[in-house]
Amino acid sequence: EVQLVQSGVEVRKPGESLKISCKTSGYSFTSYWIAWVRQMPGKGLEWMGIINPGDSDSRYSPSFQGQVTISADKTISTAYLQWRSLKASDTAMYYCAKTYSGSSNGGFDSWGRGTLVTVSS
Amino acid sequence: QSVLTQPPSASGTPGQRVTISCSGSSSNIGSNYVYWYQQLPGTAPKLLIYRNNRRPSGVPDRFSGSKSGTSASLAISGLRSDDEADYYCAAWDDSLSGWMFGGGTRLTV
Repeated sequence: EVQLVQSGVEVRKPGESLKISCKTSGYSFTSYWIAWVRQMPGKGLEWMGIINPGDSDSRYSPSFQGQVTISADKTISTAYLQWRSLKASDTAMYYCAKTYSGSSNGGFDSWGRGTLVTVSS
Repeated sequence: QSVLTQPPSASGTPGQRVTISCSGSSSNIGSNYVYWYQQLPGTAPKLLIYRNNRRPSGVPDRFSGSKSGTSASLAISGLRSDDEADYYCAAWDDSLSGWMFGGGTRLTV
């Protein structure tokens, strides 16, 4: 069974750094891309970026380029989303999702349950 | 503002058929597959339709997708109360080299 298990709730202050994780199992981690999707409170889904865990090739939405870093550790089948300096506007639910095909433009067939990030002074 | 345009809301009564539209452009829907996701309240999104009109195993055939030119539609027949959810369309955008989501449609049954 394919599983994407995300790290737990995070509460941080503005300016702090954060790295959240998405641990996968049940499939070949390096054969499918992993995307990160933001959902701000009461809002829709926003694609942030995507990574190929096999070679760490990554693409970012212009809205998030330079604001976050997506990475992956294929030794432990885990993808990460990282911030160097959080803002209050980063408060949101963050989902990781796996592509159903081996290309970045294949839709997402499995999703993590989400990591809630709250940034508040 | 989303590049893929969906109506913010839709509604129907149990047993009815409802359709949700998704409008894009030549760089996304016009040249790539469309995907539909269902997000039940308080849960993660779930893949409902892939490659315009295919259903993953386990998705009832009450759900169907179609695409024509730069627009796509999701149809739900035999509406049930547990179909109440937010529905999102998505497509790869060649200009962006990334994914675009629609703004989402809240379905009320």
